Amino acid sequence: AQSVTQPDIHITVSEGASLELRCNYSYGATPYLFWYVQSPGQGLQLLLKYFSGDTLVQGIKGFEAEFKRSQSSFNLRKPSVHWSDAAEYFCAVSAGGGNKLTFGTGTQLKVEL
Amino acid sequence: DGGITQSPKYLFRKEGQNVTLSCEQNLNHDAMYWYRQDPGQGLRLIYYSQIVNDFQKGDIAEGYSVSREKKESFPLTVTSAQKNPTAFYLCASNPTGDMYGYTFGSGTRLTVV
Repeated sequence: AQSVTQPDIHITVSEGASLELRCNYSYGATPYLFWYVQSPGQGLQLLLKYFSGDTLVQGIKGFEAEFKRSQSSFNLRKPSVHWSDAAEYFCAVSAGGGNKLTFGTGTQLKVEL
Repeated sequence: DGGITQSPKYLFRKEGQNVTLSCEQNLNHDAMYWYRQDPGQGLRLIYYSQIVNDFQKGDIAEGYSVSREKKESFPLTVTSAQKNPTAFYLCASNPTGDMYGYTFGSGTRLTVV
């Protein structure tokens, strides 16, 4: 069965600093991978996705993620964080077959001004 | 604009009462999903439906029921059998066979007192 691990529950960065949120997945074949962002009390918004091809994918709001098969990772990065990026971030994986996504437990990002 | 509407945003119920959460989409998506979100546990799948008049249990279906009589609507009933119903509930949809991620509603926070 597919699974996702987000090892960092909370991360604090200063505004303007770079950001990397970690995501590790477990699945035998090449999965479909996603990153979502959630503001407090709101639904989830899709940041970016990976299906195949170029392992570095660009998303909205200046985010990017890199798929590394050898490390079973799909880490989310941003070169310079803005205070408005403070939110909870979820990594998700799908093996196909009904399109069901399995979500990680999330990483709460705090941005210090 | 197309999207998913969840109502109400906040819901309070007494213990032992059934309650129905509404989810409506005008995206013409075939598949719809219900997730439950608790702090530190990510999103857990309750039920999903890939076509009208058909639905399947997710990972935590006990104490919940759904119906899918119309393509646009996928209501979730939290029954009195659900032992810990207080949570944030999220509805999502996507076109079946299309792995371009889910579109989420803004959620319903259910509090049972």
